[in-house]
Amino acid sequence: DTAVSQTPKYLVTQMGNDKSIKCEQNLGHDTMYWYKQDSKKFLKIMFSYNNKELIINETVPNRFSPKSPDKAHLNLHINSLELGDSAVYFCASSPGQGGYGYTFGSGTRLTVV
Amino acid sequence: GIQVEQSPPDLILQEGANSTLRCNFSDSVNNLQWFHQNPWGQLINLFYIPSGTKQNGRLSATTVATERYSLLYISSSQTTDSGVYFCAALSGGYNKLIFGAGTRLAVHP
Repeated sequence: DTAVSQTPKYLVTQMGNDKSIKCEQNLGHDTMYWYKQDSKKFLKIMFSYNNKELIINETVPNRFSPKSPDKAHLNLHINSLELGDSAVYFCASSPGQGGYGYTFGSGTRLTVV
Repeated sequence: GIQVEQSPPDLILQEGANSTLRCNFSDSVNNLQWFHQNPWGQLINLFYIPSGTKQNGRLSATTVATERYSLLYISSSQTTDSGVYFCAALSGGYNKLIFGAGTRLAVHP
């Protein structure tokens, strides 16, 4: 039973399109995150939600919009995709304060052509 | 803010060798974690280690928070240990992880 699941695993799309990535966790965690891993493997946080409330919003283009319908789900919608958006996007969750139990999904490899 | 530096950036080992990976962080942290990203891209949480020493099989980790560093030891390396090892420190009150650039490990048979 997958703890943090993301769909799709791979996404190839043309510049200018709009796409969404979905994430679900069955761990009962309160906090969910989106991280971006670039081509050099560098990982950086984008957003975080705690119980459906946005608590971290890093310097990310406003073409990226997260949505959390409930605390088990966190989706990422990207408008007007650009070549530079190509990356691996990881969803993660953690139970609460302190960062113990941080669990990552398997990632979504987005390729913009 | 917290900065996290890892060394070495790349490491090549023969199967059976031991290795030590280092993580330095720039500010006092109350949370330090080690992750392994396998060749398929999956990120696995290895250790939650704000201080002290922990062991899990052939892997162990030590964090000396007062001196702002953490070490990951891999003993008797196997080809399945290949991948990228990241350390990450918690920043602020919202569980934001600041990752180092990683150590890319290749273990050859």
